[in-house]
Amino acid sequence: EAGVTQFPSHSVIEKGQTVTLRCDPISGHDNLYWYRRVMGKEIKFLLHFVKESKQDESGMPNNRFLAERTGGTYSTLKVQPAELEDSGVYFCASSRLRIGRTEAFFGQGTRLTVV
Amino acid sequence: QKEVEQDPGPLSVPEGAIVSLNCTYSNSAFQYFMWYRQYSRKGPELLMYTYSSGNKEDGRFTAQVDKSSKYISLFIRDSQPSDSATYLCAMSTVSSASKIIFGSGTRLSIRP
Repeated sequence: EAGVTQFPSHSVIEKGQTVTLRCDPISGHDNLYWYRRVMGKEIKFLLHFVKESKQDESGMPNNRFLAERTGGTYSTLKVQPAELEDSGVYFCASSRLRIGRTEAFFGQGTRLTVV
Repeated sequence: QKEVEQDPGPLSVPEGAIVSLNCTYSNSAFQYFMWYRQYSRKGPELLMYTYSSGNKEDGRFTAQVDKSSKYISLFIRDSQPSDSATYLCAMSTVSSASKIIFGSGTRLSIRP
């Protein structure tokens, strides 16, 4: 069974540009999460999808970030326009049931560098 | 003040030693306690999960939760070079279980 897959593995963009990160969860996992780790900080929660619905987006830093999960399968996280402080590693995770009742599996992350 | 405090290390021990990793926290509402292992350029991998207080053992790994002291520990027995990684403590509440709060991670190195 394939794990959580994230594309691209690394992205370098200029300040002001747009970047779209993609996450393919494990098949059958209704719960999908985005987390990120910016330089020198802890991994922090961004948002949680249950199927195609946003269950909790309280961790999204501002309106430059837009997450979608059309059809309840893969998810995208768009940053527009990107700022220098958005640099970091963006992790996606998925779980069959919600965290606490089952394990969440993390992808390898997308390393975003804004220059 | 951070909700979860973890000594970043690095921690270097000889092969075969017992490793003790610890975290403290401030939010008494945390009920789910986790330890993740992260190898370089990889995503976090769940090692241990505990609900509320108590101990849990899985092979060479033992997780302990002391809610009265707001203190959690991970012990690794008979440490191996392959255990060299960053270890992240993490926790969440019942009402916001998906919002995992991570520690900063402890970088562990096992010397052959």
